[in-house]
Amino acid sequence: GENVEQHPSTLSVQEGDSAVIKCTYSDSASNYFPWYKQELGKGPQLIIDIRSNVGEKKDQRIAVTLNKTAKHFSLHITETQPEDSAVYFCAAVDSGYSTLTFGKGTMLLVSP
Amino acid sequence: DAMVIQNPRYQVTQFGKPVTLSCSQTLNHNVMYWYQQKSSQAPKLLFHYYDKDFNNEADTPDNFQSRRPNTSFCFLDIRSPGLGDAAMYLCATSIDRNQPQHFGDGTRLSIL
Repeated sequence: GENVEQHPSTLSVQEGDSAVIKCTYSDSASNYFPWYKQELGKGPQLIIDIRSNVGEKKDQRIAVTLNKTAKHFSLHITETQPEDSAVYFCAAVDSGYSTLTFGKGTMLLVSP
Repeated sequence: DAMVIQNPRYQVTQFGKPVTLSCSQTLNHNVMYWYQQKSSQAPKLLFHYYDKDFNNEADTPDNFQSRRPNTSFCFLDIRSPGLGDAAMYLCATSIDRNQPQHFGDGTRLSIL
């Protein structure tokens, strides 16, 4: 089955800085890679996703890049704000079962 | 407006006493998922329904069962909860497999 590694486990930045979270996956046939933001006491919220036929996708301050050859994808947040503080999960679709496998999460702390 | 609604938000039960968690959706999505999320961990898929077709993960304990009486509702039954079953239980939906999943805010289950 799919295996997703996520780094770093914690990330502290100053407000206005950029933040980058990286993930690698094992199943070369995986073709869908979402990113979720989870705030305390809430369910994961989809913030951006990318499919394997695209190398990069942007949505305002958030971007995701995908390198299929290296089997890794990254989340980039620019001009971070305190409200960006949360746990972020990457995920990949298991080509065999079409279900999501999550990374272990990154706790992002943005200090004012 | 909430599109995936989980009730109750907090549930306390006794060791060994059956408990049922519920999930409803207003999205008319074909697929409904149940995840277990323990503290500081990623969501772990328990099972999912593709329409009426039930799909159990290989490592989901027999203690966990699910029902989907119609498109809108899905239930998670824990027949004899143990202390290790204390967790957040998340419901998610997607219009089809390999499509974005939308999560509810979860039910936090405590076992006394």
